[in-house]
Amino acid sequence: DQQVKQNSPSLSVQEGRISILNCDYTNSMFDYFLWYKKYPAEGPTFLISISSIKDKNEDGRFTVFLNKSAKHLSLHIVPSQPGDSAVYFCAARKKNSGGSNYKLTFGKGTLLTVNP
Amino acid sequence: DTEVTQTPKHLVMGMTNKKSLKCEQHMGHRAMYWYKQKAKKPPELMFVYSYEKLSINESVPSRFSPECPNSSLLNLHLHALQPEDSALYLCASSQVAVRSYNEQFFGPGTRLTVL
Repeated sequence: DQQVKQNSPSLSVQEGRISILNCDYTNSMFDYFLWYKKYPAEGPTFLISISSIKDKNEDGRFTVFLNKSAKHLSLHIVPSQPGDSAVYFCAARKKNSGGSNYKLTFGKGTLLTVNP
Repeated sequence: DTEVTQTPKHLVMGMTNKKSLKCEQHMGHRAMYWYKQKAKKPPELMFVYSYEKLSINESVPSRFSPECPNSSLLNLHLHALQPEDSALYLCASSQVAVRSYNEQFFGPGTRLTVL
């Protein structure tokens, strides 16, 4: 049962354009969402997060949008750069429930390729 | 220092071997994690330590034995592994999450191959 879904295994965009990475979730108990970027042979790097009480969070070129009614979030990268080429994982955490605070549920990831 | 380090980077072991993976962080984080990641799959949580005590064990087989000797170090002891245990093993750390969440910082991983 996949609670966090990234339905696009890959995405290719032109340098300078917008990259939009999508993520859907099924569990309404998730209250915090994160995006991680992963280069080959490296660990995931935290990018940006959003609490379920917000609908938008922005950090430089990265913006995350949350639509709670649709159980959908997206990561926008503007403008996209070749160095952004990596696998992007969406992750979610359930509401405060003892040790569950620590558990992240990850999507399968989307490979973003930004072409020069 | 915002880095999580892991050693070794690569490890090849036989099914009868005993080996250990090591993880270290100096960010003052009191929560540390082991994840397993197979190719083209998301990271899967194995263990969580909070204040050096085991907080979560995601029903991991006993051939994997975690240890947290102090607040900066996390080990994963391996014994009698199977070829299907071959994967990237990731360590992560974070501040202790109570009402809010603090992002997890990941190390580069140890690529384990079991022959």
